[in-house]
Amino acid sequence: DIQMTQSPSALSASVGDRVTITCRASQSISSYLNWYQQKVGQAPKLLIFAASGLQRGVPSRFSGSGSGTDFTLTISSLQPEDFATYYCQQGYSTLSLTFGGGTKVEIK
Amino acid sequence: QVQLVESGGGLVKPGGSLRLSCAASGFTVSAYYMNWIRQAPGKGLEWVSYIRNSDTTVNYADSVKGRFTISRDNAKNSLYLQMDSLRAEDTAVYYCAAGLRHFDPWGQGTLVTVSS
Repeated sequence: DIQMTQSPSALSASVGDRVTITCRASQSISSYLNWYQQKVGQAPKLLIFAASGLQRGVPSRFSGSGSGTDFTLTISSLQPEDFATYYCQQGYSTLSLTFGGGTKVEIK
Repeated sequence: QVQLVESGGGLVKPGGSLRLSCAASGFTVSAYYMNWIRQAPGKGLEWVSYIRNSDTTVNYADSVKGRFTISRDNAKNSLYLQMDSLRAEDTAVYYCAAGLRHFDPWGQGTLVTVSS
């Protein structure tokens, strides 16, 4: 299975901060990398697909980049509604689809 | 409006069985790969299984292979997960979700607790 490693596992930030979360795959996954946001008590929500594709309805302050093994999710100006846990997920190996361990974004 | 609604969760003893359902509206389950994804309490996400849109080809995570069975009823526009030989480590919220390489939309989830 392809292992997905996110860092950091948690971070504290203030409203208006630029936030960057990284995700590393244990082998090359081309651009088959997706990002999800999960708020407490809710289902995950797709933010970014195929490394950099912004899902319809997602604010443009969210962006994704990377290819191969290293990927980044950036929130350009953190808003109160962005405090949540973020997960990456590889869609390269469809026999075993795997997620990163999550990054919890907390209020500073 | 696209909506997926899971049901069937509950408390079951180790070794027991449970059948989860996922009813779709504004959305045709037979047109998409459909998945079950779970999340143990306080933990991350784990993909469990998918069923292909074009036929009934299925795939399972190693952790559930041989114990869980995914199926689909096109007439009822619903997805199912039959879970047998349940273990404590199967305790989780189970979500249904559409897609193959990425997942969207998701249902709200149903909690399965395996405990004596």
